[in-house]
Amino acid sequence: GENVEQHPSTLSVQEGDSAVIKCTYSDSASNYFPWYKQELGKRPQLIIDIRSNVGEKKDQRIAVTLNKTAKHFSLHITETQPEDSAVYFCAASMDSSYKLIFGSGTRLLVRP
Amino acid sequence: GAVVSQHPSWVICKSGTSVKIECRSLDFQATTMFWYRQFPKQSLMLMATSNEGSKATYEQGVEKDKFLINHASLTLSTLTVTSAHPEDSSFYICSADREVRGYTFGSGTRLTVV
Repeated sequence: GENVEQHPSTLSVQEGDSAVIKCTYSDSASNYFPWYKQELGKRPQLIIDIRSNVGEKKDQRIAVTLNKTAKHFSLHITETQPEDSAVYFCAASMDSSYKLIFGSGTRLLVRP
Repeated sequence: GAVVSQHPSWVICKSGTSVKIECRSLDFQATTMFWYRQFPKQSLMLMATSNEGSKATYEQGVEKDKFLINHASLTLSTLTVTSAHPEDSSFYICSADREVRGYTFGSGTRLTVV
């Protein structure tokens, strides 16, 4: 089955700097890659997603890149703000109607 | 739109009792719902996939007789933790498939077994 690995487990950046979180997946059939932000005790919130027919997607300060050949995808947050502090999860699925397999999570701390 | 309502948000139960958690899709029909478990400071681990009108598909290592899943309608899926023990204490969260629009999550249920 699909296995998703995520790095780093923790990331501390200064406000205004960029943050990058990386994930790799094992199943080449996976074609949907969402990223979620989760605050303590809350549900995961979708922040951006990408499908395998696209190499990059951007939404304001957030961007995701996908390398299908290498089976890895990354989340880029620019101009970080303290409110970006949370746990971020990557995930992979063979289809947006199929089960999501999550990475292990990255705890991001943005220092004011 | 696309809201999944999950209840209860938290529950404390005695060891050996059963607890039922409900997830309802409020403004769309969810053919498929997914149930996850999340231990503190860990990731979301898929427990089972629930399909309306058929038996759930459980992930390896998840006891189907302990975690009963029912998906009797297109808007309701339930997870019952039977004979709960302290090690079942966790955050349980459901997710519904919205087809091409991706997934939407319930608000989660924090279960504490004492």
